[in-house]
Amino acid sequence: DTGVSQDPRHKITKRGQNVTFRCDPISEHNRLYWYRQTLGQGPEFLTYFQNEAQLEKSRLLSDRFSAERPKGSFSTLEIQRTEQGDSAMYLCASSARTGPVTYTFGSGTRLTVV
Amino acid sequence: SQQGEEDPQALSIQEGENATMNCSYKTSINNLQWYRQNSGRGLVHLILIRSNEREKHSGRLRVTLDTSKKSSSLLITASRAADTASYFCATDGMDTGRRALTFGSGTRLQVQP
Repeated sequence: DTGVSQDPRHKITKRGQNVTFRCDPISEHNRLYWYRQTLGQGPEFLTYFQNEAQLEKSRLLSDRFSAERPKGSFSTLEIQRTEQGDSAMYLCASSARTGPVTYTFGSGTRLTVV
Repeated sequence: SQQGEEDPQALSIQEGENATMNCSYKTSINNLQWYRQNSGRGLVHLILIRSNEREKHSGRLRVTLDTSKKSSSLLITASRAADTASYFCATDGMDTGRRALTFGSGTRLQVQP
């Protein structure tokens, strides 16, 4: 297991299109997180899964955003009807099931909405 | 919203000098962590300090925590050009009920060779 994988690394899409990102966490990690990061800012929390259950969602996650984690393994983040303001780096992180929460991050998906 | 605020926002030093970054946060915490991010990449966990600890060391890193002032500092000694990155503090927000970490806005460190 080589860490957290995110796909694609880059995505350019036209405004109004739907996009979907994938995250494969470290296999032993049952906790999975999605964050969004804009230039010059720190990561902002979007949503959190423990196994397959989505336990927390940020108010940043409008109804155009949906995340899933079927079977508690990989996760997908979908953005419908993209807007230019959705342009950002989308980061996925996973954390072990025991001990204090420390994250292993993926390299992120850079979304550009034109 | 961002729980932590780092200071300074940007720091430029010469190789071999020490770099100090500060973080302030708002709520009670169980622990505070520091992460590093190279340009265009994901973040990498550096060090965790628990709320009952005052200082912790890891290699060239030294972290302090003052829970009475709700602040932490990260010191990188004998900096190298490879330390050039953004550094973020993150807290777990013990009394917010949030189960995810909240990150600050970061300090961008430039180490000149």
